[in-house]
Amino acid sequence: GAGVSQTPSNKVTEKGKYVELRCDPISGHTALYWYRQSLGQGPEFLIYFQGTGAADDSGLPNDRFFAVRPEGSVSTLKIQRTERGDSAVYLCASSLEGGEQFFGPGTRLTVL
Amino acid sequence: AQRVTQPEKLLSVFKGAPVELKCNYSYSGSPELFWYVQYSRQRLQLLLRHISRESIKGFTADLNKGETSFHLKKPFAQEEDSAMYYCALGQGGGSEKLVFGKGTKLTVNP
Repeated sequence: GAGVSQTPSNKVTEKGKYVELRCDPISGHTALYWYRQSLGQGPEFLIYFQGTGAADDSGLPNDRFFAVRPEGSVSTLKIQRTERGDSAVYLCASSLEGGEQFFGPGTRLTVL
Repeated sequence: AQRVTQPEKLLSVFKGAPVELKCNYSYSGSPELFWYVQYSRQRLQLLLRHISRESIKGFTADLNKGETSFHLKKPFAQEEDSAMYYCALGQGGGSEKLVFGKGTKLTVNP
């Protein structure tokens, strides 16, 4: 079956703009995760959903970042008033409860 | 605080040589340790996790709680092992966040 998909694959925006990044998890996976990977670093946890609710959002860096998963499947990561420091690859992963996390290909965000 | 340290940013070996990628962690609870691999132009994927105690693609890793280490080893490296390797720490108990190290880029030369 299809793996985790993320759209867009690349996003270039200007400082101060609003962006939305989408994640389609593997069908049936109840858990969904967002990570951010800056150049030369490992993935850094942002937020984790179990079903529709955010079970752990401790990694969101500030209130410009917000994520939703209204129907317990697709998730959208929203970034307001983007800054150059937000430039990174945003990774999404999904899993069954207690299971292996399967990662998507990522969205490369560039803020000019 | 949870932390994962991979001291080597780059590691280069010749084909057939043994390879060891180091990983140390800091966590006060009962950890779950993982190795993830990212081959060129591919997505991040799980290589192995300590609770399964498997050997995947010839790689093994043993959790040493005394030394807080989870080093990845392979006795005879192959060119296709060239990739980025990330050690990751989970809190255990189910689907939860992972804390990743910065990664080690392994190059296996012919």
